[in-house]
Amino acid sequence: GAVVSQHPSWVICKSGTSVKIECRSLDFQATTMFWYRQFPKQSLMLMATSNEGSKATYEQGVEKDKFLINHASLTLSTLTVTSAHPEDSSFYICSARDTPWGSADTQYFGPGTRLTVL
Amino acid sequence: TQLLEQSPQFLSIQEGENLTVYCNSSSVFSSLQWYRQEPGEGPVLLVTVVTGGEVKKLKRLTFQFGDARKDSSLHITAAQPGDTGLYLCAGAHNAGNMLTFGGGTRLMVKP
Repeated sequence: GAVVSQHPSWVICKSGTSVKIECRSLDFQATTMFWYRQFPKQSLMLMATSNEGSKATYEQGVEKDKFLINHASLTLSTLTVTSAHPEDSSFYICSARDTPWGSADTQYFGPGTRLTVL
Repeated sequence: TQLLEQSPQFLSIQEGENLTVYCNSSSVFSSLQWYRQEPGEGPVLLVTVVTGGEVKKLKRLTFQFGDARKDSSLHITAAQPGDTGLYLCAGAHNAGNMLTFGGGTRLMVKP
């Protein structure tokens, strides 16, 4: 149980275009999902917390107009990188918190999406 | 400011050796998780500890949560090449709150 999927797993796009990444909890409902960014050989950096049916909460320094997050259902959250630039190239990982069963603090992670902006 | 200090950052050892990874903070955590991540993949949950002084074992891996719930350790016995990866600790300050990640420990086990 507690499987989280991400799509796509790898995307290459031109500078200036927008890219949408999907995060799905496959076998549980997730009222809260999290979006992280990870640079090579570094730890995860939380970008935003996504709550179903409400606006996402962004971490300091993360542009909410550039990284649009939508959490329309209990099993799906999307991250759209708008007007992508090469510096947005990174590994984006989502996670979901399982509720009501299991530890409320435990997060299950998706496999990640590698974004390369040319 | 990184609230969780993880050490060492890098560790290269021979197969069969033992090792310990530490995760320290000045803050109290309601729970702490350990994850293992391989290149190009998302972190995989190894264990969650919630009680001060708690010890959990997962085959050759032993996890301990400090009595004051401010620190944790991961001990691997007789490391194998398959243990190679990035180990991450992550703590939550309040039940249901977001996780704060340590900087990670990159482990390489040579055959």
